[in-house]
Amino acid sequence: DAKTTQPNSMESNEEEPVHLPCNHSTISGTDYIHWYRQLPSQGPEYVIHGLTSNVNNRMASLAIAEDRKSSTLILHRATLRDAAVYYCIRPDKLVFGAGTILRVKS
Amino acid sequence: GAVVSQHPSWVICKSGTSVKIECRSLDFQATTMFWYRQFPKQSLMLMATSNEGSKATYEQGVEKDKFLINHASLTLSTLTVTSAHPEDSSFYICSARLAGLLSGELFFGEGSRLTVL
Repeated sequence: DAKTTQPNSMESNEEEPVHLPCNHSTISGTDYIHWYRQLPSQGPEYVIHGLTSNVNNRMASLAIAEDRKSSTLILHRATLRDAAVYYCIRPDKLVFGAGTILRVKS
Repeated sequence: GAVVSQHPSWVICKSGTSVKIECRSLDFQATTMFWYRQFPKQSLMLMATSNEGSKATYEQGVEKDKFLINHASLTLSTLTVTSAHPEDSSFYICSARLAGLLSGELFFGEGSRLTVL
């Protein structure tokens, strides 16, 4: 099964860090994990991806568990513009789960 | 980063008519593009994989005669919804990735909202 598992929704306060988890227990050793986010009425936007090591970019950080069966997207300081649906997917399978709706409170 | 553009961004049509949606990779070549459909408050569902110069590959349950896909060039794929009906009303999204990178970043279009009256 190529689907990943994420919590339905999460809430954060503005300027605080957010940790969005994803379970991908069926992942194999060569499968990357990608994260995308989608604002209402827009196409998804790439956030970050990784294979084994933790990754950082200007948008977020990605922490990948040692057994690679889970990962966590970290937004270091949430802003109102980060409110979106966040998806973790395996790009070779192109299967989107329900994603996590992130709500950011001011 | 690479840009994928869709046109039109929204369209309203009468039941029984056909609608064409274009997906263009603006600054890179895409041998493969993907078409998704998204109903309100639901996730993206992969409809088909569009391959330049060959037939598209459709996901199970997607009618290939109803959703015609043409990928005639390395920068353009089109999705035609034939004989559209109200149940075809949805948000259609295309994506592409750089050629040769199976696990590469997916670039998504802005989406095209189809409303069938």
